[in-house]
Amino acid sequence: AQSVTQPDARVTVSEGASLQLRCKYSYSGTPYLFWYVQYQRQGLQLLLKYYSGDPVVQGVNGFEAEFSKSDSSFHLRKASVHWSDSAVYFCAASMGNYKYVFGAGTRLKVIA
Amino acid sequence: GGIITQTPKFLIGQEGQKLTLKCQQNFNHDTMYWYRQDSGKGLRLIYYSITENDLQKGDLSEGYDASREKKSSFSLTVTSAQKNEMAVFLCASSIITGGYAEQFFGPGTRLTVL
Repeated sequence: AQSVTQPDARVTVSEGASLQLRCKYSYSGTPYLFWYVQYQRQGLQLLLKYYSGDPVVQGVNGFEAEFSKSDSSFHLRKASVHWSDSAVYFCAASMGNYKYVFGAGTRLKVIA
Repeated sequence: GGIITQTPKFLIGQEGQKLTLKCQQNFNHDTMYWYRQDSGKGLRLIYYSITENDLQKGDLSEGYDASREKKSSFSLTVTSAQKNEMAVFLCASSIITGGYAEQFFGPGTRLTVL
């Protein structure tokens, strides 16, 4: 079955530190891949997306993600986090059939 | 830009009650979605509508009905609320491209069943 796994339910990092949030997908082909962020009591907002081409994609607010076909992964990174990055991050995938599969989310806490 | 509006923001119901959640979008998007978000879990698809007059069941459609009244609006009905149920229902929309377009989300309706 198609699935998206975010193995880390919670991540805590210090402000200014680097960040990696992990995402693994299980699909028979290569899906379209997305990272969304959800700030408290708001809807999800797109950070970045990958369709094809350069495996490293740039997103908003200094986020980037790297696609790896061999590892079936799409990890999110940021070089230096800010306290305002505290939120829940969702990885999602679609095979182009209108159905998007979301991971369980990773709650990021940035501490001073 | 556009916006997705969900009403009500908070919904408190009684066990067995029929409850309706509404969603409006002004993006002029063809495709609309209803998701359920439970604490610690990802979003699960309840219903989606590819175009006006279309309705498709998601993985979690049992216990729900949906209605696409017009291109800009998509309603979800909880047919019989379950006691102690708590969840956030998110509405989303996207342009019609075969399912690989960015989705835009509303702020959600928080449901509590007493």
